[in-house]
Amino acid sequence: DAGVTQSPTHLIKTRGQQVTLRCSPISGHKSVSWYQQVLGQGPQFIFQYYEKEERGRGNFPDRFSARQFPNYSSELNVNALLLGDSALYLCASSPGLSYTDTQYFGPGTRLTVL
Amino acid sequence: KNEVEQSPQNLTAQEGEFITINCSYSVGISALHWLQQHPGGGIVSLFMLSSGKKKHGRLIATINIQEKHSSLHITASHPRDSAVYICAAPPSGGSNYKLTFGKGTLLTVNP
Repeated sequence: DAGVTQSPTHLIKTRGQQVTLRCSPISGHKSVSWYQQVLGQGPQFIFQYYEKEERGRGNFPDRFSARQFPNYSSELNVNALLLGDSALYLCASSPGLSYTDTQYFGPGTRLTVL
Repeated sequence: KNEVEQSPQNLTAQEGEFITINCSYSVGISALHWLQQHPGGGIVSLFMLSSGKKKHGRLIATINIQEKHSSLHITASHPRDSAVYICAAPPSGGSNYKLTFGKGTLLTVNP
């Protein structure tokens, strides 16, 4: 079975632009979470979606938004990019929301904002 | 919010050495995750444990829920074990999302 996939792998944008990152979960997984990892730090939780509904949101401004599609894939949108948005964006999928459900991470999208 | 701290931040070992990485957290939890991140970013989930000890190959994870502490051990370390090891804790309540991650421990194993 394919693992979690993310696209694109790398992305370079300029300040003020908008970006859309995509994630395809493992087949059968209904939950998708998004994390931001700034260089040298651990990942920070951004969003979780389950069954197409937002189930959790981290401490990120409204410039960050996400959605989940009927096939459980997900998009993360970031508007009005700032230099500080440069980071590795990780997507993780899991079957459900229980603490016994392991999260499986994708390879990440590295976003550079110039 | 759960505060998660790891130690040490950096660890250099010689091949074959026994490695211990520690993780402590501030809020009582139902389970704790250990993750491995290789250069380039990909994260692999190693363990999710809620009590006692789990073993997978040369990796052993232990947790003491009462003391809010977990350790990751690597026996007979090998250069391919070189990576960042991260522990992550969920909020109390039993859900698996909104994980709080430690900053990670960079392990370098020299041949």
